[in-house]
Amino acid sequence: DADVTQTPRNRITKTGKRIMLECSQTKGHDRMYWYRQDPGLGLRLIYYSFDVKDINKGEISDGYSVSRQAQAKFSLSLESAIPNQTALYFCATSDTGTGSGNTIYFGEGSWLTVV
Amino acid sequence: AQSVAQPEDQVNVAEGNPLTVKCTYSVSGNPYLFWYVQYPNRGLQFLLKYITGDNLVKGSYGFEAEFNKSQTSFHLKKPSALVSDSALYFCAVRDYGIQGGKLIFGQGTELSVKP
Repeated sequence: DADVTQTPRNRITKTGKRIMLECSQTKGHDRMYWYRQDPGLGLRLIYYSFDVKDINKGEISDGYSVSRQAQAKFSLSLESAIPNQTALYFCATSDTGTGSGNTIYFGEGSWLTVV
Repeated sequence: AQSVAQPEDQVNVAEGNPLTVKCTYSVSGNPYLFWYVQYPNRGLQFLLKYITGDNLVKGSYGFEAEFNKSQTSFHLKKPSALVSDSALYFCAVRDYGIQGGKLIFGQGTELSVKP
């Protein structure tokens, strides 16, 4: 089983609909992240969370919201989906530890298409 | 601001030949550099990282990367390419100073290994 699990893996939704992407991890990490991947742009950070009570915006948070339901669960919502939110979304986790060397581990991604 | 650049959108190599995927970085302070690989429908997998110490870092699947401070580069290498190495490769730098220690990604390099 994957250490970082995302559901759904693929979803097609209509413009204006609310959609939630869920993420759970078994690595016991404190930090969780949501990234978005667009062709030619690499990955960009949407939101991140240090723990259940500490949630922060990333560089492209507009149009998104998140919820950290437990240490192991971090969900991403699009309240009113629009076509330019069509992308591959990744959840990721990292141990807090010390220093910047802690590896960030990614899930397998959720393809979201907004029509 | 921290940044990484992957100057080649695509690299083509014959199976059995050595491969290099290039990455240059711009950071203030000590760089924490990572390589990830994305196989089709497989998510983003960690390959290797440079934190400190030996400039030659060994990682998964026979890959290694050479950290060169004077040239601000962190090129990914493999002595003998396999067809199964064909994938999208991302270089990243971890920016611990902002946004939860987020990874800043290059735009990715598509590696194609032909038989």
